[in-house]
Amino acid sequence: DGGITQSPKYLFRKEGQNVTLSCEQNLNHDAMYWYRQDPGQGLRLIYYSQIVNDFQKGDIAEGYSVSREKKESFPLTVTSAQKNPTAFYLCASSEAGTGASNQPQHFGDGTRLSIL
Amino acid sequence: KNEVEQSPQNLTAQEGEFITINCSYSVGISALHWLQQHPGGGIVSLFMLSSGKKKHGRLIATINIQEKHSSLHITASHPRDSAVYICAVLLKTSYDKVIFGPGTSLSVIP
Repeated sequence: DGGITQSPKYLFRKEGQNVTLSCEQNLNHDAMYWYRQDPGQGLRLIYYSQIVNDFQKGDIAEGYSVSREKKESFPLTVTSAQKNPTAFYLCASSEAGTGASNQPQHFGDGTRLSIL
Repeated sequence: KNEVEQSPQNLTAQEGEFITINCSYSVGISALHWLQQHPGGGIVSLFMLSSGKKKHGRLIATINIQEKHSSLHITASHPRDSAVYICAVLLKTSYDKVIFGPGTSLSVIP
């Protein structure tokens, strides 16, 4: 079945370390997104990519980096510059990006990142 | 003021009750999305609508574009409906920008 796979489900990071969260989709979707969820808050957009080899900053991109070398993969790196990385991270994809009309986003099961 | 608000924030219901969750927004949208987040964190799409009403099983979603308001109804609620329900709006911008509401946490007691 098609879907989005995020790994790992739980991730622990020491202070000063970079960590990379994986997101893979086999839905043949062009657009992919990374969101951060904090308790009591709505999801906030970190980065998005509308097409391979292109990505744009979202609302809270500082301290994060991404790459989009393949259509199916959109890994997120949480760098040591991110001062408060403990959160739940969700990856999503949709059929198309710019100019798309009402394309629903499909979500992964998330990765919970904690600082040791 | 948040651009997307939901009420109530938390809701506890007895099994079998009719449940309503509300979403109001203050921006121009192209569509509105109702999502369900399971206790483990995964999110599934329930409805996407831009006008009128949609029904799927025991779930009904309505939207009033003029009033900038949407409701999600659950009939004959069941403990397996316990989850966080999130309203998200798709903005009329150059990319698929989505603004998410804070979610409504629903607990259905047997």
